[in-house]
Amino acid sequence: DSGVTQTPKHLITATGQRVTLRCSPRSGDLSVYWYQQSLDQGLQFLIQYYNGEERAKGNILERFSAQQFPDLHSELNLSSLELGDSALYFCASSPLSSGNTIYFGEGSWLTVV
Amino acid sequence: GQQVMQIPQYQHVQEGEDFTTYCNSSTTLSNIQWYKQRPGGHPVFLIQLVKSGEVKKQKRLTFQFGEAKKNSSLHITATQTTDVGTYFCALPGGTSYGKLTFGQGTILTVHP
Repeated sequence: DSGVTQTPKHLITATGQRVTLRCSPRSGDLSVYWYQQSLDQGLQFLIQYYNGEERAKGNILERFSAQQFPDLHSELNLSSLELGDSALYFCASSPLSSGNTIYFGEGSWLTVV
Repeated sequence: GQQVMQIPQYQHVQEGEDFTTYCNSSTTLSNIQWYKQRPGGHPVFLIQLVKSGEVKKQKRLTFQFGEAKKNSSLHITATQTTDVGTYFCALPGGTSYGKLTFGQGTILTVHP
């Protein structure tokens, strides 16, 4: 158990819909990272938040957004969902913005039908 | 950004055989990390290599960083069924350590 908690574990939704994935980082970790894992794209970095502020951005679609709340939990919002958004979405956390190992949660499986 | 090519994509071995996966870059890397993802699981950090020519061992796992810091390898001696999974190399981002660029991964299957 990495200490990073993600909900829901599984989610099935229809095209065009919007979903929110939630992540609670390890206790005391200030940085939260979101990754997407799919068969065709592999494991890709989406976005990082550090203590409530966006710190780094990767290949995140405009239809996707994220935020980190004062209690440090984070949400990834995916809207206007397409079939190709079906993937495993991981959240990870680390204590500082840089220089530390990151710890991945169990992931949220999203299936768009 | 930096890219890394990981080979092979798949490796099937008999239990007790050795296994090696390689990551290659066209540019010099500041450091490289290795992760393992069990089937149905999440990536788990194994190790980070920083120095040119560095070799680190974890029980049956040996990690190497090339002299030119453009390649790295993970070698498992005498594989066990518990070694199954996907092994990834990953490049930490410059200013954001957790902004990792992952290799394609090597899927290891171990036949008992």
